Amino acid sequence: DAKTTQPPSMDCAEGRAANLPCNHSTISGNEYVYWYRQIHSQGPQYIIHGLKNNETNEMASLIITEDRKSSTLILPHATLRDTAVYYCIVRSETSGSRLTFGEGTQLTVNP
Amino acid sequence: GAVVSQHPSRVICKSGTSVKIECRSLDFQATTMFWYRQFPKKSLMLMATSNEGSKATYEQGVEKDKFLINHASLTLSTLTVTSAHPEDSSFYICSARAWGQGSDEQYFGPGTRLTVT
Repeated sequence: DAKTTQPPSMDCAEGRAANLPCNHSTISGNEYVYWYRQIHSQGPQYIIHGLKNNETNEMASLIITEDRKSSTLILPHATLRDTAVYYCIVRSETSGSRLTFGEGTQLTVNP
Repeated sequence: GAVVSQHPSRVICKSGTSVKIECRSLDFQATTMFWYRQFPKKSLMLMATSNEGSKATYEQGVEKDKFLINHASLTLSTLTVTSAHPEDSSFYICSARAWGQGSDEQYFGPGTRLTVT
């Protein structure tokens, strides 16, 4: 699976949009981009995933560049409860659902 | 979304003893479950892939005789840390694969905090 690069930490004001970037320049054509988050001392929580089109659900939006080498997770109105480590993961259909976690981005939402 | 539980949520044991951690998929059947380990301020590290009715597949560097995995049913996988030592103290997280009807997702349990004294 392709390696991903994320900034180690970011800050965001409560109520503002949080934009979390992820680079995956070696992504292959059959690899999906997944986002999970982990609140302190809890298991990871699925957020969203996509292949090449932008995706939106009740939690977030995922914007994938046309060349698919990077993506951005957008939390439109961040709350204090969104403070967590956010993981961007690239996963292929042939990986048997394996997820390889990188270091992620620690997002801190400030009041 | 699908629910995965783990039991116990935290356990303290003495060095040399064995500890069993259970992972259950509550509202779906999981032919595949995964076990991860996470040290403080570190990311999750995949330890092994557990397939129902067959032997687990361990990642490189993970001792299969120390971390025994049993996946006897479609809703239960267990991880037994044998002869635990303080360096085994960690946060153990399981996940269960739910796939079919066009989706293939992985749902995580809440984790088990193991402290070996």
